[in-house]
Amino acid sequence: GESVGLHLPTLSVQEGDNSIINCAYSNSASDYFIWYKQESGKGPQFIIDIRSNMDKRQGQRVTVLLNKTVKHLSLQIAATQPGDSAVYFCAEKDRGSTLGRLYFGRGTQLTVWP
Amino acid sequence: DVKVTQSSRYLVKRTGEKVFLECVQDMDHENMFWYRQDPGLGLRLIYFSYDVKMKEKGDIPEGYSVSREKKERFSLILESASTNQTSMYLCASSLSLVAGGYEQYFGPGTRLTVT
Repeated sequence: GESVGLHLPTLSVQEGDNSIINCAYSNSASDYFIWYKQESGKGPQFIIDIRSNMDKRQGQRVTVLLNKTVKHLSLQIAATQPGDSAVYFCAEKDRGSTLGRLYFGRGTQLTVWP
Repeated sequence: DVKVTQSSRYLVKRTGEKVFLECVQDMDHENMFWYRQDPGLGLRLIYFSYDVKMKEKGDIPEGYSVSREKKERFSLILESASTNQTSMYLCASSLSLVAGGYEQYFGPGTRLTVT
């Protein structure tokens, strides 16, 4: 079955630095990837997504990079702020899925210190 | 904005009780999902539904059932609660794939404790 995992369970960065959160996946049939942010006591919130026909997508202060050759996904956060402290999840969808099911990684805890 | 609401933020139940967790979405989404979230294990899918009265098992359906009588409401039922069902439960919804619905929208979660 699909497997979505993360290289590092925790990441600590200084305020103002850039953060990079990584995600490895094993399903070569995945055609859609999404990043969620989950703050303490809240449900996951959408950050950014990318389809498999793209290598890079940018949002406000965030960039997602997709390397299909090595099945690797990363989320880059520019000028990290204390409000970015949260758990970040990547998730993928299989091309053959007819019901939109997503498979989630275990998450990375990002801590931003002043 | 899509809004997914869950009936309770915190719930404490006794072993053997029947527990109902309710989820309502207001965006006319076809798909609805129930996950449980435990430390170090991420989000695990319990059940999902792609239409009224339709359901599919996820990865950990044992000990749970679901009900979807109306499009906007998806209920998770613990027939006989056990302590190993103590967890955070998250509901989500999305449009159908035909409508371009990949992103799932999550509720705030219900933290259930079974004693």
